[in-house]
Amino acid sequence: NAGVTQTPKFQVLKTGQSMTLQCAQDMNHNSMYWYRQDPGMGLRLIYYSASEGTTDKGEVPNGYNVSRLNKREFSLRLESAAPSQTSVYFCASSSRDPGSTDTQYFGPGTRLTVL
Amino acid sequence: DAKTTQPPSMDCAEGRAANLPCNHSTISGNEYVYWYRQIHSQGPQYIIHGLKNNETNEMASLIITEDRKSSTLILPHATLRDTAVYYCIVKDISYGKLTFGQGTILTVHP
Repeated sequence: NAGVTQTPKFQVLKTGQSMTLQCAQDMNHNSMYWYRQDPGMGLRLIYYSASEGTTDKGEVPNGYNVSRLNKREFSLRLESAAPSQTSVYFCASSSRDPGSTDTQYFGPGTRLTVL
Repeated sequence: DAKTTQPPSMDCAEGRAANLPCNHSTISGNEYVYWYRQIHSQGPQYIIHGLKNNETNEMASLIITEDRKSSTLILPHATLRDTAVYYCIVKDISYGKLTFGQGTILTVHP
């Protein structure tokens, strides 16, 4: 039971390049989330998927797209990377079944640098 | 979601109890208090949550005041591995978004 896994762990991009961050969970959770964390700050929500087949914008969605590929996988795509997107990206998942505690479980993060 | 206020930093001696306060004076009736921590550069880790009663699990205890306007996270016997940033978050249990503030940097020293 790996929990929430993210790939890659580290990535360096040049301005204008594109890439996809991958996230998978094996806890049969309904909801999945993408956050970013800039140095010295708390996490900010980029996008989330309340259930398979749905996605919604969070606090800072500009410059990103997401795909809920199936119940297990939720990817984050940067179409044209910018230095302002240099950050640590965390994926999370939660059950959100009726009566659940909605505890979110986080992956280890992807450290992205855009030059 | 209601806003929370936490001290920016706290120190604690190893083996002693760490008591981390949080103010959430605008909390509404359907909002829970959640605590997460983030150990250097790792993903946040869930600790505990509660609505109005005190809660305890294997990691910590959560004390919520009767008016629910503040709470305290208690780590009963802090260890060096408890050094982390601790986030107090108020959230409606039916809405998934977590709003992270600055948190409290807890440093446990020998």
